[in-house]
Amino acid sequence: GAVVSQHPSWVICKSGTSVKIECRSLDFQATTMFWYRQFPKQSLMLMATSNEGSKATYEQGVEKDKFLINHASLTLSTLTVTSAHPEDSSFYICSASSMSSYEQYFGPGTRLTVT
Amino acid sequence: QKEVEQDPGPLSVPEGAIVSLNCTYSNSAFQYFMWYRQYSRKGPELLMYTYSSGNKEDGRFTAQVDKSSKYISLFIRDSQPSDSATYLCACSTLTFGKGTMLLVSP
Repeated sequence: GAVVSQHPSWVICKSGTSVKIECRSLDFQATTMFWYRQFPKQSLMLMATSNEGSKATYEQGVEKDKFLINHASLTLSTLTVTSAHPEDSSFYICSASSMSSYEQYFGPGTRLTVT
Repeated sequence: QKEVEQDPGPLSVPEGAIVSLNCTYSNSAFQYFMWYRQYSRKGPELLMYTYSSGNKEDGRFTAQVDKSSKYISLFIRDSQPSDSATYLCACSTLTFGKGTMLLVSP
């Protein structure tokens, strides 16, 4: 099956710094990648959708200047949390899909802790 | 009304029981329905995928969609402790339920 990886799996950073999370599709070309945030015991909340080579589309309430998304190639998307605050601490999950399928394949997630 | 409603549980059953997990949705335009399994601190993995109404079976898992009542179900037969996880329903790829935590005791 399709494999999506995320790096890092866990990161701790200080308040005010920036953190970059990578999402890679390992064995298929991901024309679309999605970024989700999940708080404990809550559902996945879609943050943004990105298509390769285009600007990301952000969901209502998500600050695009704070959560920078880049989808520069068909196998890599990055999420940068800028000027991180403790309330940004969460589980960030990416998923990817290809043109040939509606299925989304999820990465293992990145746990961000901002101190 | 939220677009996808799902009882958060937890749902506790003994090993070998038949489990029924359910979601309701409000948007009649949804055509694709999926069930994901998520273990603690891991990303979700796709279990079942159905299009429109009907049943789909895969081993011990059966997904059922009733578009007339906007109701989707996942049945797990002969449940195992390894089935203990949170099960998320999803409609048309981008709308997820909150997830139901399932605990199967040996």
